[in-house]
Amino acid sequence: NAGVTQTPKFQVLKTGQSMTLQCAQDMNHNSMYWYRQDPGMGLRLIYYSASEGTTDKGEVPNGYNVSRLNKREFSLRLESAAPSQTSVYFCASSELGLSYNEQFFGPGTRLTVL
Amino acid sequence: AQTVTQSQPEMSVQEAETVTLSCTYDTSESDYYLFWYKQPPSRQMILVIRQEAYKQQNATENRFSVNFQKAAKSFSLKISDSQLGDAAMYFCAYRSFYSGSARQLTFGSGTQLTVLP
Repeated sequence: NAGVTQTPKFQVLKTGQSMTLQCAQDMNHNSMYWYRQDPGMGLRLIYYSASEGTTDKGEVPNGYNVSRLNKREFSLRLESAAPSQTSVYFCASSELGLSYNEQFFGPGTRLTVL
Repeated sequence: AQTVTQSQPEMSVQEAETVTLSCTYDTSESDYYLFWYKQPPSRQMILVIRQEAYKQQNATENRFSVNFQKAAKSFSLKISDSQLGDAAMYFCAYRSFYSGSARQLTFGSGTQLTVLP
């Protein structure tokens, strides 16, 4: 039981390049999330998927797109990377129905855009 | 929109001593959940403790306990008998009870805790 996995762990891009961050969970959770973490700030929500087949914008969606490929996988795409997108990206999942709705996090991807 | 404030960017504690991390939040809602997450150098986010706003009793998990003051909108974390493994960034987080399908967390900016041997 790996929990939430993310690939890659590290990535360096040049301005304008594109890439996709992959996330998968093996806990059969319905909901999945993408956050970014910047120095001196907490995690901020980029996009989320409440259930398979649905996606919605979070607090900071500009410059990103997401795909909920199936119940297990939720990818985040940067179409044209910018230095402002240098950050650590976390994927999380949770189960609908639990009152407190604990979110389980992946290990993060450190992305640098030059 | 809800906001979460952690006014202590850094704290330190001697091993085996007790430390309290502060968190305040702003909300107009009456029902919600509060969480403390720990982020060690590995970057893995680990849930430490949670509190339901409708419960008056403060949550406790082994050496970790909270002081939840609903009227003051304060949610502090107390770590007793601090251990070297407690050194990490600690985040306070809020989740609305009525967030529907969203259920996203709103995080504070974090407190970096150093444990001195």
